[in-house]
Amino acid sequence: SYEVTQPPSVSVSPGQTASITCSGDKLGDKYTSWYQQKPGQSPVVVIYRNTKRPSGIPERFSGSNSGNTATLTITGTQAMDEADYYCQAWDSGTGAVFGGGTKLTVL
Amino acid sequence: QVHLVQSGAEVKKPGASVKVSCTASGYTFTRYDINWVRQATGQGLEWMGWMNPDSGNTGYAQKFQGRVTMTRDTSINTAYMELSSLKSGDTAVYYCMRGVEGASGGNYYYYMDVWGKGTTVTVSS
Repeated sequence: SYEVTQPPSVSVSPGQTASITCSGDKLGDKYTSWYQQKPGQSPVVVIYRNTKRPSGIPERFSGSNSGNTATLTITGTQAMDEADYYCQAWDSGTGAVFGGGTKLTVL
Repeated sequence: QVHLVQSGAEVKKPGASVKVSCTASGYTFTRYDINWVRQATGQGLEWMGWMNPDSGNTGYAQKFQGRVTMTRDTSINTAYMELSSLKSGDTAVYYCMRGVEGASGGNYYYYMDVWGKGTTVTVSS
């Protein structure tokens, strides 16, 4: 079955750029989405189809996907961005595949 | 506005079954898949499967094959997820989500754009 891997944690200083990676075999051939989950809340999609941002999601969130790695980038990270982030792809044999999640700490 | 409203918390004994509902509003229910994901406390998201509310077709993650059943009642815009033979490891928050699919540049995409607030299922003797 297909799998994707994320680092368990990433730390960033306020105002700096945070990058969260998601790795999988030929992941660049699949569309990847990213979800933000704050404590006690449901996940929210922040990036879909690799680079698209839903309405209401700040411009500081962006995505890319090439080769074996998809990346969520948060430019000018704010304290409110502290959350867990999950990548997700679709594999024809497995279905929806979520990464294990990355805890973003803004300190 | 699009909403998915889930049923309330459940407490079940090992070996029992649980059926969670997810009622859609604000869009045409039969136009989008409904997916289910669960999350144990402090853990990540685990995808369980999808259902097409129009056809009733389903696809389940291998881990849950034979133990999960996804159904719907289109007259009340409601999807259901039933999990049987419950064990303590099934204790989790269960989410329903709307699935959006399509193709672009020759590649298929599928993502979840709307999530319910989750239903806590506790399995305990």
